[in-house]
Amino acid sequence: ETGVTQSPTHLIKTRGQQVTLRCSSQSGHNTVSWYQQALGQGPQFIFQYYREEENGRGNFPPRFSGLQFPNYSSELNVNALELDDSALYLCASSLDASRGNEQFFGPGTRLTVL
Amino acid sequence: AQTVTQSQPEMSVQEAETVTLSCTYDTSENNYYLFWYKQPPSRQMILVIRQEAYKQQNATENRFSVNFQKAAKSFSLKISDSQLGDTAMYFCAFMSLIPNNAGNMLTFGGGTRLMVKP
Repeated sequence: ETGVTQSPTHLIKTRGQQVTLRCSSQSGHNTVSWYQQALGQGPQFIFQYYREEENGRGNFPPRFSGLQFPNYSSELNVNALELDDSALYLCASSLDASRGNEQFFGPGTRLTVL
Repeated sequence: AQTVTQSQPEMSVQEAETVTLSCTYDTSENNYYLFWYKQPPSRQMILVIRQEAYKQQNATENRFSVNFQKAAKSFSLKISDSQLGDTAMYFCAFMSLIPNNAGNMLTFGGGTRLMVKP
């Protein structure tokens, strides 16, 4: 069974640019959540996708957007990057969107915005 | 909105000793899930233990156990026989059972950095 994978591992962008982060869910999982983890803090929920539809969203502006594909892989897109977007971005997949299901995390993508 | 607070930014423990990490949370809900996640230096977050609020019995997983005090909104993690591999950031997290527009999101605390010393 393949775990959750994310690419790239590290990324450096400049302010104002756009970035796409990718996540491959664990086999058999149809739900993916994205989290932002600033340095020294706990992860914060960005949004969740279930069967290619957005299933919930945290307090993040619209320039944070996502996609989930038929094979349940996922993308996080961030437009007009700001310095405060520098963080570790985690994706987590779960069997489905039922509450209480364990979320399996990927290793994260470290984004640095200069 | 729910909040999760971990009041111990850093802790250390000698190998083979027992350590307890604290977590408090604030919610008006009666049914929910609580989790402890471990994030080793390699960064991949791993579930340690889960507690359903409607269950009175405290969850245990091998060397890991929780002390769930629902009325006090407290959810501490006890690690027995600490091992060097337990060195990591530990996050307490809350999940609501009420359908809302946030899916089944996890609300995390700020974390506790645990160092196990040989």
